[in-house]
Amino acid sequence: QKEVEQDPGPLSVPEGAIVSLNCTYSNSAFQYFMWYRQYSRKGPELLMYTYSSGNKEDGRFTAQVDKSSKYISLFIRDSQPSDSATYLCAMSLISKGGKLIFGQGTELSVKP
Amino acid sequence: GAVVSQHPSWVICKSGTSVKIECRSLDFQATTMFWYRQFPKQSLMLMATSNEGSKATYEQGVEKDKFLINHASLTLSTLTVTSAHPEDSSFYICSAETGDGRAGNEQFFGPGTRLTVL
Repeated sequence: QKEVEQDPGPLSVPEGAIVSLNCTYSNSAFQYFMWYRQYSRKGPELLMYTYSSGNKEDGRFTAQVDKSSKYISLFIRDSQPSDSATYLCAMSLISKGGKLIFGQGTELSVKP
Repeated sequence: GAVVSQHPSWVICKSGTSVKIECRSLDFQATTMFWYRQFPKQSLMLMATSNEGSKATYEQGVEKDKFLINHASLTLSTLTVTSAHPEDSSFYICSAETGDGRAGNEQFFGPGTRLTVL
């Protein structure tokens, strides 16, 4: 069993749709939960991070962490074609840095 | 701020040759740098962690004699793929961490280097 599981998609939605991306994990010691966006042939860029359980909102993006279920989500409201990318969840034991364990990534396509 | 560059962005080499990839933190000093490998449509897999001035720590299953990592300064780390073979073809990504608490020790990723071994 992988430490972090993420549905690879691909996921295709129309512009304006609400997108839900999810990851599950097995290590209950993870404390930091990150979402990265990666465009084709580029390095990942950090979108959001959450420490422990709870929700965090940033514009059209909302990150949720449910440690009891070992489940994290990223919601994108009013999705735009520019949101088309691969979204990777990542987790860490001690900080936003250090050793990161990544999910497989979900490829998202937002159609105009 | 917090820009990480990689060079080259794309390299093609013949089987048996060695390839060096550079990772630079352009506007900050990186006490720790990480090297990842990513196959198409797969996740980033951590290969090794390097701290300036010390030997790299390799993840289980990564051959340290094949993937040589040098972190000689606070702004430069290099990954050398020695005697490359076609199965080494992949996307190699580095990241750098400040280690001084700035941005909560966030890792900043480079744009990646695509290696193709013929």
